[in-house]
Amino acid sequence: DQQVKQNSPSLSVQEGRISILNCDYTNSMFDYFLWYKKYPAEGPTFLISISSIKDKNEDGRFTVFLNKSAKHLSLHIVPSQPGDSAVYFCAAKGAQKLVFGQGTRLTINP
Amino acid sequence: GAGVSQSPSNKVTEKGKDVELRCDPISGHTALYWYRQSLGQGLEFLIYFQGNSAPDKSGLPSDRFSAERTGGSVSTLTIQRTQQEDSAVYLCASSLWTGNQETQYFGPGTRLLVL
Repeated sequence: DQQVKQNSPSLSVQEGRISILNCDYTNSMFDYFLWYKKYPAEGPTFLISISSIKDKNEDGRFTVFLNKSAKHLSLHIVPSQPGDSAVYFCAAKGAQKLVFGQGTRLTINP
Repeated sequence: GAGVSQSPSNKVTEKGKDVELRCDPISGHTALYWYRQSLGQGLEFLIYFQGNSAPDKSGLPSDRFSAERTGGSVSTLTIQRTQQEDSAVYLCASSLWTGNQETQYFGPGTRLLVL
């Protein structure tokens, strides 16, 4: 039972444009959501998070949007830079452990 | 160092041998997770330790896999009688809870190759 889903395994965006990564979840008890970024041969690193009491959280070029009614969150990166090329994982948490999605590989083209 | 460390960074073993992977979490972090990532796949949850509670072993794929966490700090993941399908990157993460908000910090992983 995949409680957190990232339905796009890959995404390609031109440098300078907006990258939008999507994530859907099924468990309505999740109330805290995170995005992680992973470069090859490294562990994932925390990027940005959002609590369910908010619908938007912004940190520089990164903004996370949460739509609780749709059980959907998204990560916007603008403007996209070549260094943003990585695998992005969303994760969700309720009362227990964090649950991760399968990841989306983002490629920023010069 | 201040981050999560894992050893060894790479491990090549023969099918049927046992391996031990080590994780040193960030000091003071009460929660510790093990994941694995097979080639082209996402993060597969294996096991979760939180304080003195019984570990959540629901992600361990078979009884060949076990893990322990000694003194609430260092953790060892053991794979007995390794199989080729065990080849993957094994990631450890530790976290500190603030209310219900938890952020995990990952180590660099151990790349296991079973020949």
